[in-house]
Amino acid sequence: QKEVEQNSGPLSVPEGAIASLNCTYSDRGSQSFFWYRQYSGKSPELIMFIYSNGDKEDGRFTAQLNKASQYVSLLIRDSQPSDSATYLCAVGDSGYSTLTFGKGTMLLVSP
Amino acid sequence: DTAVSQTPKYLVTQMGNDKSIKCEQNLGHDTMYWYKQDSKKFLKIMFSYNNKELIINETVPNRFSPKSPDKAHLNLHINSLELGDSAVYFCASGGAVGELFFGEGSRLTVL
Repeated sequence: QKEVEQNSGPLSVPEGAIASLNCTYSDRGSQSFFWYRQYSGKSPELIMFIYSNGDKEDGRFTAQLNKASQYVSLLIRDSQPSDSATYLCAVGDSGYSTLTFGKGTMLLVSP
Repeated sequence: DTAVSQTPKYLVTQMGNDKSIKCEQNLGHDTMYWYKQDSKKFLKIMFSYNNKELIINETVPNRFSPKSPDKAHLNLHINSLELGDSAVYFCASGGAVGELFFGEGSRLTVL
């Protein structure tokens, strides 16, 4: 059984701070890693994906992957109140496999 | 144009009834999915179709029957609804790097 673990939070940060969201996964064969943002009552939307060890940056977002530690994280720089949402980590392998989601971390950014 | 669209967005029904949810995607993807998100916001895969063929069928009661008339459509029929079926059902299509594009969700309430 593949498992993806996230701290449910809420993680509270002040506006302008860096928010750090973490995720661990159980399947060493996992190849692809995704971060989704889900606002309350809305559908998940893709923020970033990462395949290789190291960092990947996109605007204010940085995804970090360490396959040896089976750990993936998402950093949000200059956090804004509009970033307040639940962040879902998802892990997949190759082919037609589905994504396994964590239960999400709620982020609250206070003005 | 909405990339992945689901109808209806809300269903309220009595136990024992049958209901259907329709999904259409205009992204040209070959793979489509049904996910269930329970009251604790946990997203869990139910079914995966690739070009109209069932690829993945997780442990889902056989009261749930997906149908894919073509690769752009994936419908979900649920027979003999139970209280525990109350959830938000998300349709998704799969992109080139394994990412998912979700529909807006269909919130099912069984009374």
